[in-house]
Amino acid sequence: QQKVQQSPESLIVPEGGMASLNCTFSDRNSQYFWWYRQHSGEGPKALMSIFSNGDKKEGRFTAHLNKASLYVSLHIKDSQPSDSALYFCAVSRMGYKLTFGTGTSLLVDP
Amino acid sequence: DAGVTQTPRHEVAEKGQTIILKCEPVSGHNDLFWYRQTKIQGLELLSYFRSKSLMEDGGAFKDRFKAEMLNSSFSTLKIQPTEPKDSAVYLCASSLWDQDTQYFGPGTRLLVL
Repeated sequence: QQKVQQSPESLIVPEGGMASLNCTFSDRNSQYFWWYRQHSGEGPKALMSIFSNGDKKEGRFTAHLNKASLYVSLHIKDSQPSDSALYFCAVSRMGYKLTFGTGTSLLVDP
Repeated sequence: DAGVTQTPRHEVAEKGQTIILKCEPVSGHNDLFWYRQTKIQGLELLSYFRSKSLMEDGGAFKDRFKAEMLNSSFSTLKIQPTEPKDSAVYLCASSLWDQDTQYFGPGTRLLVL
């Protein structure tokens, strides 16, 4: 059964700083990787996906995937107070539903 | 576009009561998921439907939790009887297909006394 672990559990970064979130998974056949963000009082929302090894940049957000190392990360540049939220990594492969990670709570300190 | 809607947003129940949570998925989506979210356990899958057919009915939750899709645009989650340990946020999500983005509703916050 797929195991998805995230670190750190919580993170505080200054406004304008870089936030780095890590995620490891156990199934070597995993194909699809997502980052979701959940603000307080809301449901999670998909932030970005990455399906190929390497980096994928969308605005201030960069996802990095290394399937051989069973590792995916999310980096947030120029962090804003509005980025304060719970971030989930989610992993799946064809025919299998998404497995969500344990979450990282990010606080951007203004 | 209407997103996933969930009602009620908050529910308070006495131990032993039956409660029914409701979900309307995004129009046209084929897959529907019910999750439970707590600080300790994170997101736990309760049920998964594909085109109204129950694909997964999560293990430990089977005895008191029952999800149904009455039609392609409406689903319910019944908890019977409720216990204090059921206090959590219950989230409904839908997607076009199993590898597509899941769209979540705002959740129902349940408190069982």
